[in-house]
Amino acid sequence: DAKTTQPPSMDCAEGRAANLPCNHSTISGNEYVYWYRQIHSQGPQYIIHGLKNNETNEMASLIITEDRKSSTLILPHATLRDTAVYYCIVRVGTGRRALTFGSGTRLQVQP
Amino acid sequence: KAGVTQTPRYLIKTRGQQVTLSCSPISGHRSVSWYQQTPGQGLQFLFEYFSETQRNKGNFPGRFSGRQFSNSRSEMNVSTLELGDSALYLCASSLGPLEGNEKLFFGSGTQLSVL
Repeated sequence: DAKTTQPPSMDCAEGRAANLPCNHSTISGNEYVYWYRQIHSQGPQYIIHGLKNNETNEMASLIITEDRKSSTLILPHATLRDTAVYYCIVRVGTGRRALTFGSGTRLQVQP
Repeated sequence: KAGVTQTPRYLIKTRGQQVTLSCSPISGHRSVSWYQQTPGQGLQFLFEYFSETQRNKGNFPGRFSGRQFSNSRSEMNVSTLELGDSALYLCASSLGPLEGNEKLFFGSGTQLSVL
């Protein structure tokens, strides 16, 4: 699975949009981009995933560049409860592959 | 619908002992995977079970083992505990096997401390 690079930490003001970048320049055509987050002392929580097109759900939006070498997770109106570590993961769509978590981005939402 | 349930939530053991952790997946989910999380190594994959069969295994010693029952509930066992086994152990369930386009649902984990 392709390697991902994320900034170690970011701050965001409450009520503003949080834009979390992820670089996956070695991604291949059949690899999905996944985002999970982990709030302190809890298990990771699925947020969103996509292959080529931008995706939106009730939690967030995922913007994938046309060349698929990077993506951005957008939390449209960040709240204090969005403070967490956010993991960007890429993995192939088939085959016996486990999820590989990197170091993630620690997002701190400030009041 | 109930989420993934892991028991116990906290556990304290001493070196050399063994421990068994339990995971009940979301109803209808047939895949259970286990992860170890430590401050130094982050989240690392241990193994995955689907329909009572181990499909994939991470790079951990043989002291770490697991099994899955016919009702999809899973247990993992660690024998001859070492101080370095102190970690948060997470299990995750999914509808199908870990083959790419599926979502994982995680439990809250079991915090194991080895003294």
